[in-house]
Amino acid sequence: SAVISQKPSRDICQRGTSLTIQCQVDSQVTMMFWYRQQPGQSLTLIATANQGSEATYESGFVIDKFPISRPNLTFSTLTVSNMSPEDSSIYLCSVARDSEVTEAFFGQGTRLTVV
Amino acid sequence: AQSVAQPEDQVNVAEGNPLTVKCTYSVSGNPYLFWYVQYPNRGLQFLLKYITGDNLVKGSYGFEAEFNKSQTSFHLKKPSALVSDSALYFCAVREGGNQGGKLIFGQGTELSVKP
Repeated sequence: SAVISQKPSRDICQRGTSLTIQCQVDSQVTMMFWYRQQPGQSLTLIATANQGSEATYESGFVIDKFPISRPNLTFSTLTVSNMSPEDSSIYLCSVARDSEVTEAFFGQGTRLTVV
Repeated sequence: AQSVAQPEDQVNVAEGNPLTVKCTYSVSGNPYLFWYVQYPNRGLQFLLKYITGDNLVKGSYGFEAEFNKSQTSFHLKKPSALVSDSALYFCAVREGGNQGGKLIFGQGTELSVKP
């Protein structure tokens, strides 16, 4: 398993501002992902964080709105930019040791409320 | 494209009775299937996975799941439910091959176990 520390655990932000969420893993992992869980809904993949290169975004998500960094194999950040109330969600960091057969592990999530 | 369906938004079970949470999937290649549980204000916890081999997979907390290729199903089961099993359950699929390791989640099933 992997121990994932995600910060902050929650925040209330003003619309138009940006928030950066940090994800720290206790060991090197191959794969890191960012998910969004809107109120009462399932998880939607935002992007795959690639070490040393630009993240791979899913349909409907763009780098200008959700810039992601991954400087090494244990750390990643997700920024939610120019926030609106529609961005109010739980954002979850996830890691996996390879791309297929191993399970993914999740951080505790960041509960974001935009007012 | 890969997808997962959880046909029941909510499942209600009396404590001590067996429980089943349903999941069906759609992939073009070999499916890698996972179950996760989410307790209130918590991240996702891994329960079990099917990669290959025996169709009956045993996991954490007494849960098991049965892979049925002909019915494209992966239902989660437990012989005797506990009140503490009450939570939100997610089925997820990862398609074998070079798909980047991302998980596709079902919409979730709220399990309520009453004393």
